[in-house]
Amino acid sequence: KQEVTQIPAALSVPEGENLVLNCSFTDSAIYNLQWFRQDPGKGLTSLLLIQSSQREQTSGRLNASLDKSSGRSTLYIAASQPGDSATYLCAVRPQSFGNEKLTFGTGTRLTIIP
Amino acid sequence: DAGVIQSPRHEVTEMGQEVTLRCKPISGHDYLFWYRQTMMRGLELLIYFNNNVPIDDSGMPEDRFSAKMPNASFSTLKIQPSEPRDSAVYFCASKAWDRGNTEAFFGQGTRLTVV
Repeated sequence: KQEVTQIPAALSVPEGENLVLNCSFTDSAIYNLQWFRQDPGKGLTSLLLIQSSQREQTSGRLNASLDKSSGRSTLYIAASQPGDSATYLCAVRPQSFGNEKLTFGTGTRLTIIP
Repeated sequence: DAGVIQSPRHEVTEMGQEVTLRCKPISGHDYLFWYRQTMMRGLELLIYFNNNVPIDDSGMPEDRFSAKMPNASFSTLKIQPSEPRDSAVYFCASKAWDRGNTEAFFGQGTRLTVV
C-alpha cells in the first residue's frame, strides 16, 4: 500500500527566504506526482504536476523535483512571500493503467513571517 | 467556467439523519472524485467516476455511504444514517482525460458536522 509522508508538518520562515518542502513515498511505481496548495477553509489548488519520466517542473517561483527511484520529491519556493502561507500537499498517482486513485500526504503547514 | 461547485458549503445535522452533498464538475471533464478530509486521516479518496460510471469505491467507509452520478454535470454523496464520526470536510474534484497527465480541480468543500 502506498504511503506518502511530508516532513515537517509545520514550517515557519522569514519573508524573502528560499525554502524546500519534502515529500516521500514508499512505492516508486508512480505515474505522476502533484503538488497542491490549500488555504484555510478552502479547496485544493494544483501547483505543479510532474510526470514520472520528468525530473522537475517549474512555475514562477516554484520548482518541483522528482526522484522516482528514491521515492522523493521536493517543492522549492524562491523568495518567499506572506501570501505563500498555506498548507502544501503532495499526491502520487499509481502507475497501473487507468488507475486515477491519488494518495495524499498529510501536508506541511507553511507560515511566512513578514 | 466557474470551477467545481459544491453545495452546501456547511451542513450541521443530527445523528441518524440523512445527509446529501452535491457536486457540479467542470464542464467537459471525464472524471469526478469524492474525497474526505479529517485531521486524523488527512485526505482520503472515497469513490471516483469515469464518464458517470463508478470505477473505484473501495474508499467508501460503510454501506451508509452511497454516491451517484446520474449525468455528466451532477453527482451526489449521501450518508444515511449519519454518525458523529462522519464529521469532516468532503471535497469533490474533477479532471479531464489526456493520457492521464492532467490536473485535478477541487471544489471548495462541504464542511459536515454531525451532532
